[in-house]
Amino acid sequence: GIQVEQSPPDLILQEGANSTLRCNFSDSVNNLQWFHQNPWGQLINLFYIPSGTKQNGRLSATTVATERYSLLYISSSQTTDSGVYFCAVKNAGNMLTFGGGTRLMVKP
Amino acid sequence: EAGVAQSPRYKIIEKRQSVAFWCNPISGHATLYWYQQILGQGPKLLIQFQNNGVVDDSQLPKDRFSAERLKGVDSTLKIQPAKLEDSAVYLCASSLLNTGELFFGEGSRLTVL
Repeated sequence: GIQVEQSPPDLILQEGANSTLRCNFSDSVNNLQWFHQNPWGQLINLFYIPSGTKQNGRLSATTVATERYSLLYISSSQTTDSGVYFCAVKNAGNMLTFGGGTRLMVKP
Repeated sequence: EAGVAQSPRYKIIEKRQSVAFWCNPISGHATLYWYQQILGQGPKLLIQFQNNGVVDDSQLPKDRFSAERLKGVDSTLKIQPAKLEDSAVYLCASSLLNTGELFFGEGSRLTVL
């Protein structure tokens, strides 16, 4: 099946800093989503982005499908951004496969 | 628009007992998924339904896990008998289309003692 690798696995930031999270995948995809899992375990949809660039407030994402990677940018980070960020992809096999996640801690 | 509903939120059982989780997807979503998330890992797909038919159950431990979606709307996931390693959060998700964006419920946290 498709392999999904996220980096870095752990990230500690000072409030106000910017960061870039990366997601690499091993095959062509027809669906790519970024999620934020909050401390209560809820998976919050951030972006549905199989290709191109999208922005939502302080967050933006870019997927370069031909090179099999996606980037999530967080600007001016806040303590509420803490949690785990997951990238998940779907290919022709139709199974949404998750990466291992990036654990982000934003310190005040 | 109401999101994906799951119950119960928490369940504690002893090994070899049985447990059932319920999921009601977003209205109109034909595709329903059950995921298992073990602490510290990403969610893993257990089973995918398209209406009331199974699309993928290749990672479902069929000797103890079962799932159904009889009327193509809500779904039940059952574990019988439970093992210690089944302790996890069970997440239900739905999507409008097979290739569309997934939306997740809050999850059901299972602890097996």
